[in-house]
Amino acid sequence: AQSVAQPEDQVNVAEGNPLTVKCTYSVSGNPYLFWYVQYPNRGLQFLLKYITGDNLVKGSYGFEAEFNKSQTSFHLKKPSALVSDSALYFCAVRDGGGGGADGLTFGKGTHLIIQP
Amino acid sequence: DAGVTQSPTHLIKTRGQHVTLRCSPISGHKSVSWYQQVLGQGPQFIFQYYEKEERGRGNFPDRFSARQFPNYSSELNVNALLLGDSALYLCASSLGNPAGEQYFGPGTRLTVT
Repeated sequence: AQSVAQPEDQVNVAEGNPLTVKCTYSVSGNPYLFWYVQYPNRGLQFLLKYITGDNLVKGSYGFEAEFNKSQTSFHLKKPSALVSDSALYFCAVRDGGGGGADGLTFGKGTHLIIQP
Repeated sequence: DAGVTQSPTHLIKTRGQHVTLRCSPISGHKSVSWYQQVLGQGPQFIFQYYEKEERGRGNFPDRFSARQFPNYSSELNVNALLLGDSALYLCASSLGNPAGEQYFGPGTRLTVT
């Protein structure tokens, strides 16, 4: 079985400061990792993914994430936060050896609040 | 380009009733997945369909069923509704490659009273 943990319900950051949203995962095979963002009353928007290769992945809106296999982590980062980054962020995982089904397993989400 | 569309936007049903939710994928996408998002939780995988065949199923009771049509649109059906079925139901479309990202629709908010 696969699982995702987002240990922080909420992260507060001042505008202009760097931000990190934490994610750890568990899968039996190779992990396919994803970050999504959800704005109020909206569906999920894809930010970035790690499948293989370079451990630092760059995505939309200046976000990036670092894959760490030994720590089974995939933390989301941004060098300088904007107030408009305030939203609910989800980390998700799929087992790359899952035999074809591509259902994602999501964490419970982290509220990111950027203070002006 | 049109994204993933879902209908209806909101729905109120009574316990014991049946509901059908609809989803149209992005043009060219052959895979549709359904997720249930309860308030305060992350989405939970219900079904995946690819080329009209069920490819995966999450841990949901048999009251939940789905199908995919020749034009790749999809329906999610829930029978004998329970209060606990109240949630946002999300549809996601993709090319069907397990390494590919899924694109989500805005969801259908189901309230069971």
